[in-house]
Amino acid sequence: AQSVTQLGSHVSVSEGALVLLRCNYSSSVPPYLFWYVQYPNQGLQLLLKYTTGATLVKGINGFEAEFKKSETSFHLTKPSAHMSDAAEYFCAVSEPGGGNKLTFGTGTQLKVEL
Amino acid sequence: GAGVSQSPSNKVTEKGKDVELRCDPISGHTALYWYRQSLGQGLEFLIYFQGNSAPDKSGLPSDRFSAERTGGSVSTLTIQRTQQEDSAVYLCASSPGHGLTTEAFFGQGTRLTVV
Repeated sequence: AQSVTQLGSHVSVSEGALVLLRCNYSSSVPPYLFWYVQYPNQGLQLLLKYTTGATLVKGINGFEAEFKKSETSFHLTKPSAHMSDAAEYFCAVSEPGGGNKLTFGTGTQLKVEL
Repeated sequence: GAGVSQSPSNKVTEKGKDVELRCDPISGHTALYWYRQSLGQGLEFLIYFQGNSAPDKSGLPSDRFSAERTGGSVSTLTIQRTQQEDSAVYLCASSPGHGLTTEAFFGQGTRLTVV
């Protein structure tokens, strides 16, 4: 069985500051890893994903995440927060061969302050 | 259409009534997924359709929940004898296939409120 833990249901940063959203997973097999973003009253949008290959993955809007197998982590970062980054962020895993069936974390609400 | 379309966007129903939620996937997408987003539970997988294969129903929470996909396109999620704990946002997603190089595209969801 797979599970995802997102530390911090709410994170607040100043505009221009580093964004760090934490994600740890548990999986019996090496999983595929995803970050999704949900803006208010909108559907989920894929930010980035890791399947194989390079462990540092770059996504849209300046976000990136690094897969660290030894730490079972896939933390999301952005060097400089922008007001438009305020949203809810979900980390998710799927099992290879599992057909894109995703197991999500409980989400982190990111607030960006002036 | 341009994206995954779900209807209705909002549904208020009385406890004990049946409801049907509709999902129109992106044209040509063979895979379709239903998820539920509720306070305190986060996003939960419900059911997955891939082409003509038998659906993966492993996430359905009870036998009051069922889903079908007609003609490999439109899907309907049915909840019978609704309970207050069924109140949630029901999200549908579709993808071109089940390979991991493909992306699942989500609709905006149906917000179900059971009163």
